[in-house]
Amino acid sequence: AQRVTQPEKLLSVFKGAPVELKCNYSYSGSPELFWYVQYSRQRLQLLLRHISRESIKGFTADLNKGETSFHLKKPFAQEEDSAMYYCALSGSGYQKVTFGTGTKLQVIP
Amino acid sequence: DGGITQSPKYLFRKEGQNVTLSCEQNLNHDAMYWYRQDPGQGLRLIYYSQIVNDFQKGDIAEGYSVSREKKESFPLTVTSAQKNPTAFYLCASSMKGSYGYTFGSGTRLTVV
Repeated sequence: AQRVTQPEKLLSVFKGAPVELKCNYSYSGSPELFWYVQYSRQRLQLLLRHISRESIKGFTADLNKGETSFHLKKPFAQEEDSAMYYCALSGSGYQKVTFGTGTKLQVIP
Repeated sequence: DGGITQSPKYLFRKEGQNVTLSCEQNLNHDAMYWYRQDPGQGLRLIYYSQIVNDFQKGDIAEGYSVSREKKESFPLTVTSAQKNPTAFYLCASSMKGSYGYTFGSGTRLTVV
């Protein structure tokens, strides 16, 4: 069974401080990992995918197969980063996506 | 303007009644999904469909039904058999490959 664990329900950081949102997963094959973000009063949207190895809005995430982790990082937090963040996992193609329970990031001015 | 539309935004249902939530997309995506979002539980998959006239149960399909008669539409019916239907329901779609989901804005269902 596939599982995604986000251990922190709430993460509060000061503006300008580094951010790390933790995500660990359990999957028997080769996973595809994603981070989704939901800003206040907006719909859930894709932030980044591990397969593209991209940086979006200053966020990056590296897939660590040894530690089965896909932590989301940003060197300097901005107030506009305050949102709910979900880590998600799927198999290849149209495989169903399993979401974590989410972490609320609060950036303190 | 391409996107995925859920309606209505808010829905109230009396106990014992079935209710249908609408989800329409004009993104030409093959796959569509229904998730339920509850506080502290993240998103849980109800049903998904990879192709017209075919769909599969997700993790919490009991008390729900779906149909996929058109590529653009994937309505979800919450039946009276669903014991705890009050929740926020999200519809999503995707194309083949690792591109992630596009989500609708959701429907909040309240049983009164």
